[in-house]
Amino acid sequence: EAGVTQFPSHSVIEKGQTVTLRCDPISGHDNLYWYRRVMGKEIKFLLHFVKESKQDESGMPNNRFLAERTGGTYSTLKVQPAELEDSGVYFCASSQVFAGEGETQYFGPGTRLLVL
Amino acid sequence: AQRVTQPEKLLSVFKGAPVELKCNYSYSGSPELFWYVQYSRQRLQLLLRHISRESIKGFTADLNKGETSFHLKKPFAQEEDSAMYYCALSGYNAGNMLTFGGGTRLMVKP
Repeated sequence: EAGVTQFPSHSVIEKGQTVTLRCDPISGHDNLYWYRRVMGKEIKFLLHFVKESKQDESGMPNNRFLAERTGGTYSTLKVQPAELEDSGVYFCASSQVFAGEGETQYFGPGTRLLVL
Repeated sequence: AQRVTQPEKLLSVFKGAPVELKCNYSYSGSPELFWYVQYSRQRLQLLLRHISRESIKGFTADLNKGETSFHLKKPFAQEEDSAMYYCALSGYNAGNMLTFGGGTRLMVKP
């Protein structure tokens, strides 16, 4: 079974540019999460999709960040315009919940974003 | 607000020594606690969760609600245990976000 994949693995852009990150969850997983770790800080939650609906976007830092999950499959996270403080590693995770079992989130390898 | 604290950024032990990675949390309700591990050049992966009450790769962790702790322990560390370890918490309902601690880098020296 293929794991969670993320593209690109690295991205270097200039301040003010736009970047779009993509996440392909494990097939069949309804839950999709975005997290990020900025330098020296904890991994922090950004938002959570259930299928194509945003369940919780309380962690999105500001309106420069836009996440979509059209069709309930892959998701994109767009940063426009990018600022220096957006640099960090962006993780995607997916999960499926089965009755009587706990939820395990499976993580992708992350996208390392550097804004210059 | 929920919070996870890992007081040690780096823990260095010799092979064969016992290891304990500390994790304290704050949460109003019944949390679910996890330990995730990230080996060099690999993705973050679940090591264990408190509801499973199992031992993975020789590691165990007991949820202590009185002390709000979920420390990770192994009696005899191995060099291949060297990695970043993250303690994480979520609510007891399905579909909840994870709140992570800052992580502890474990180095096991030969």
